[in-house]
Amino acid sequence: AQKVTQAQTEISVVEKEDVTLDCVYETRDTTYYLFWYKQPPSGELVFLIRRNSFDEQNEISGRYSWNFQKSTSSFNFTITASQVVDSAVYFCALSEANNFNKFYFGSGTKLNVKP
Amino acid sequence: GAGVSQTPSNKVTEKGKYVELRCDPISGHTALYWYRQSLGQGPEFLIYFQGTGAADDSGLPNDRFFAVRPEGSVSTLKIQRTERGDSAVYLCASSLTLGGTGELFFGEGSRLTVL
Repeated sequence: AQKVTQAQTEISVVEKEDVTLDCVYETRDTTYYLFWYKQPPSGELVFLIRRNSFDEQNEISGRYSWNFQKSTSSFNFTITASQVVDSAVYFCALSEANNFNKFYFGSGTKLNVKP
Repeated sequence: GAGVSQTPSNKVTEKGKYVELRCDPISGHTALYWYRQSLGQGPEFLIYFQGTGAADDSGLPNDRFFAVRPEGSVSTLKIQRTERGDSAVYLCASSLTLGGTGELFFGEGSRLTVL
């Protein structure tokens, strides 16, 4: 079974719109980490955020915010006032207590921000 | 540069040939990871090293794949008797320590095409 599901394959928005990228995860571990990475056209993945399973506080960093809800096994990512430079593929990932160094990535959501 | 360096950036080979992909991690990073990313998919774990030893090679798909890190720095991923299904982008990442901190630093990947 897929441990991380990103149901949105591709999203297109116009600059300045808000956009939310969905991530649903599946694990039996009570201790785990969730991540978001950005992959621009250059190819290298860039770390955005990490949350551990005991910290359900939402987080805001500039135009980015994350909503972690254990009740629905979701870790959604919102970009406020999107910009063209936000265009990239975004990946959600999970690592579990039995092996924190093995990351399970979702299939990614391609975000197109048009001017 | 100070980032993770991967060579070659592109490799085209014929079915049945042997290939080597090289990863030069960030200086001082003890942990090194290899992932494989097929078109339209998220990265898939292959192997990670702590120092010179492979701490977890459970993601290597079969015995045609092998990776080494003889001096605890540069790593080489070796693929024997390549098959068309091996075509993908091979991503390398490094981190300062193990432990799933999430701060993996990725290279731009080596795109392998097997004809």
